[in-house]
Amino acid sequence: EAGVTQFPSHSVIEKGQTVTLRCDPISGHDNLYWYRRVMGKEIKFLLHFVKESKQDESGMPNNRFLAERTGGTYSTLKVQPAELEDSGVYFCASSQDPTRRGNEQFFGPGTRLTVL
Amino acid sequence: AQTVTQSQPEMSVQEAETVTLSCTYDTSESNYYLFWYKQPPSRQMILVIRQEAYKQQNATENRFSVNFQKAAKSFSLKISDSQLGDTAMYFCAFIHSWGSQGNLIFGKGTKLSVKP
Repeated sequence: EAGVTQFPSHSVIEKGQTVTLRCDPISGHDNLYWYRRVMGKEIKFLLHFVKESKQDESGMPNNRFLAERTGGTYSTLKVQPAELEDSGVYFCASSQDPTRRGNEQFFGPGTRLTVL
Repeated sequence: AQTVTQSQPEMSVQEAETVTLSCTYDTSESNYYLFWYKQPPSRQMILVIRQEAYKQQNATENRFSVNFQKAAKSFSLKISDSQLGDTAMYFCAFIHSWGSQGNLIFGKGTKLSVKP
């Protein structure tokens, strides 16, 4: 079974540019999460999809961040325009059953974003 | 506010010895799940062990075991017979069993180095 995949693995952009991160969850997983880790700090929640619907987007920093999950499959996270403080590692995770929170969340390898 | 504290940013242990990583958390809820995740260098984060808060018995997975003290809100991870492959960042996390917040809440992580 293929795991969670993320693309790209690294992205270096200039302040003010746009970047789109992609996450492909494990097939059949209804839950999809985005998290972010800024250097030296906690991994912080950004948002949670159940299928194609945003269940919780309380962790999104501001309206420069836009997440979508077309058809309940893969998800994209767009940052426009990027700022220096957006640098960090963006993790995607998926899990199977929205009603069972104790289930393991499977993580992707992360996208390391550097904004110069 | 719900928080997770890992007070040891870095630790090292000799191969074959035992090491304990500490984790404390703060929540007003009584039902939740606790996790230890491991991220080896340049690799994906994977689940090490899970504990359900309503279970008094400490979880074990082979060489990994936890000491769960619910009243003290403490959830330490013990690694016995440490191996070189245990070198990784270890993240403590919890998730509430129900309610609007269905995401993992992480600590800052402990970087563990196993030395030959």
